Amino acid sequence: EIVLTQSPGTLSLSPGERATLSCRASQSVSSNYLAWYQQKPGQAPRLLIYGASSRATGIPDRFSGSGSGTDFTLTISRLEPEDFAVYYCHQYGISLYTFGQGTKLEIK
Amino acid sequence: EVQLLESGGGLVQPGGSLRLSCAASGFTFSSFAMSWVRQAPGKGLEWVSGISGSGANTYYADSVRGRFTVSRDNSKGTLYLQMNSLRAEDTAVYYCAKDTSAVVASWSDGLDVWGQGTTVTVSS
Repeated sequence: EIVLTQSPGTLSLSPGERATLSCRASQSVSSNYLAWYQQKPGQAPRLLIYGASSRATGIPDRFSGSGSGTDFTLTISRLEPEDFAVYYCHQYGISLYTFGQGTKLEIK
Repeated sequence: EVQLLESGGGLVQPGGSLRLSCAASGFTFSSFAMSWVRQAPGKGLEWVSGISGSGANTYYADSVRGRFTVSRDNSKGTLYLQMNSLRAEDTAVYYCAKDTSAVVASWSDGLDVWGQGTTVTVSS
């Protein structure tokens, strides 16, 4: 099983600022099969990024993903009010999929 | 419109059983692998189980292996999760999610469509 560790647990920022979220894997993620999801209270998760750096359909270009191997990053270039939510990384490179524990992005 | 609709959740006693269903519409169901993902109250996401588009291959998290069984009926466009020997720690919202590949963990672009979830509560 690949364990994903996200940091920080909580990130407090203001609208307009840049957010950087980290996801570290316990072993290399095959083919960079790493995705990021956004979840708001009472809602299902929404796919933002797949393949470590490709934006899903309809996702604004202020969201970007990077990284390879065991270290991955989600960057939100300029925070909008609707971006404050919980973000999860997810590896789907081996048949036992796993998620990180989440980073809560809150308004400062 | 691509849609997933879960049902079958409810209150069950420890040791009991429950079967969840996920009705798919708006896409060719048999062409895509599917997963079940759960979220305990106030906690993060936990992948539970996956199944290939054909149904021939199934996968489980260690926490549910031997107790849960995933299956699908491609003629009905429906995914199932049979849950036996339920425990208090199985209490969660259960989501079904569509993979972007027919095969789990291969040529995939993640889980691109999610249902709204169904709540399972295990309590006496």
